[in-house]
Amino acid sequence: DAKTTQPPSMDCAEGRAANLPCNHSTISGNEYVYWYRQIHSQGPQYIIHGLKNNETNEMASLIITEDRKSSTLILPHATLRDTAVYYCIEGRGTASKLTFGTGTRLQVTL
Amino acid sequence: GAVVSQHPSRVICKSGTSVKIECRSLDFQATTMFWYRQFPKQSLMLMATSNEGSKATYEQGVEKDKFLINHASLTLSTLTVTSAHPEDSSFYICSAFTGGLLAKNIQYFGAGTRLSVL
Repeated sequence: DAKTTQPPSMDCAEGRAANLPCNHSTISGNEYVYWYRQIHSQGPQYIIHGLKNNETNEMASLIITEDRKSSTLILPHATLRDTAVYYCIEGRGTASKLTFGTGTRLQVTL
Repeated sequence: GAVVSQHPSRVICKSGTSVKIECRSLDFQATTMFWYRQFPKQSLMLMATSNEGSKATYEQGVEKDKFLINHASLTLSTLTVTSAHPEDSSFYICSAFTGGLLAKNIQYFGAGTRLSVL
């Protein structure tokens, strides 16, 4: 079973920031937090990952709390193409399996 | 990011036939690849871990004789659904792990294969 918990759905207006929360209260010290998204009928797309420091790339920012029990994925200016299911996953950063939960369905609207 | 190519993207077959799905890492070598299955409105479920040069490791409840996995090279893993039946109709997705250091420990996913068994 997935060890992270996410809200099942969220809405966001186009152009606004989308903040997607994730709880991972049992994460181990050597586990990363990975974020993927899945647009309908496609394979998951890697977004970002982090261990304990906040991370930013061209797609998003990842804010990890100091106790590492939760994180927030931030899409700074959401567009309609960001409508997808977003998955927050704990991973060891090695060639080990990823366990997908049910994710958050983000709907970006006009 | 790294590219994982999956082929075919869609296949329709008759019940009782076998279907082969290919997963290729195009710009990196992957000693480990993974095969997932996703039914409508559900999340991805891991089927097996494919290791280059050795036997695949299957998750509990996945029939290894029905879902044959071959990982003959560092850039190619194949999944063969043998004697397919309608209940095998699903979305099959592969992923490949890039490795550490500069490769950043990321699993990249293919676009998926939608299998429909008539």
